[in-house]
Amino acid sequence: AQKVTQAQTEISVVEKEDVTLDCVYETRDTTYYLFWYKQPPSGELVFLIRRNSFDEQNEISGRYSWNFQKSTSSFNFTITASQVVDSAVYFCALSDPNRDDKIIFGKGTRLHILP
Amino acid sequence: NAGVTQTPKFQVLKTGQSMTLQCAQDMNHEYMSWYRQDPGMGLRLIHYSVGAGITDQGEVPNGYNVSRSTTEDFPLRLLSAAPSQTSVYFCASSYGGSAGYTFGSGTRLTVV
Repeated sequence: AQKVTQAQTEISVVEKEDVTLDCVYETRDTTYYLFWYKQPPSGELVFLIRRNSFDEQNEISGRYSWNFQKSTSSFNFTITASQVVDSAVYFCALSDPNRDDKIIFGKGTRLHILP
Repeated sequence: NAGVTQTPKFQVLKTGQSMTLQCAQDMNHEYMSWYRQDPGMGLRLIHYSVGAGITDQGEVPNGYNVSRSTTEDFPLRLLSAAPSQTSVYFCASSYGGSAGYTFGSGTRLTVV
């Protein structure tokens, strides 16, 4: 069965600190996709990144970076020099290629950036 | 470019009432899904569709029906509302599930 675990329910850091959000996934498939979504206080869901299982290169986008490690089934998300606008709930998700690529979400990590 | 449009944004129902949550997308996406979001539970898949005329159940389908008569529309029907269906409902679409989904702005439903 597919599963996504975000063990950190809630994190608080002071502005300008770096913070890493953990994501561990379970799948028996060799082909799959991983995602991160952001849900700010306004409630909409914003797509951040997609990574396929054959591409283990880390990715950096501005202050955001993602570390994908198949050996530990992890896809962690780091925000460098955090800002108050980064306060949101962040979801990690996994696609299920055996079920028409339906996407399974973790329970989310609520991130508070304190001024 | 409207993207994914959900209506209504807010709704209050009495137990036992039925209603339909509307979802429409203008991106010609084949894949569409309905999720519900509850505190501490993340997003749970209710039903999904990979094209017109094709639907399947997700993790929590009981009490909900869907149909997909057109590529654009994917309505979610609550047959007999229960307080346990109080939630925020999100509709999403994608040209392929592995591409990632575009989400609507959500419908906040309260069943009293």
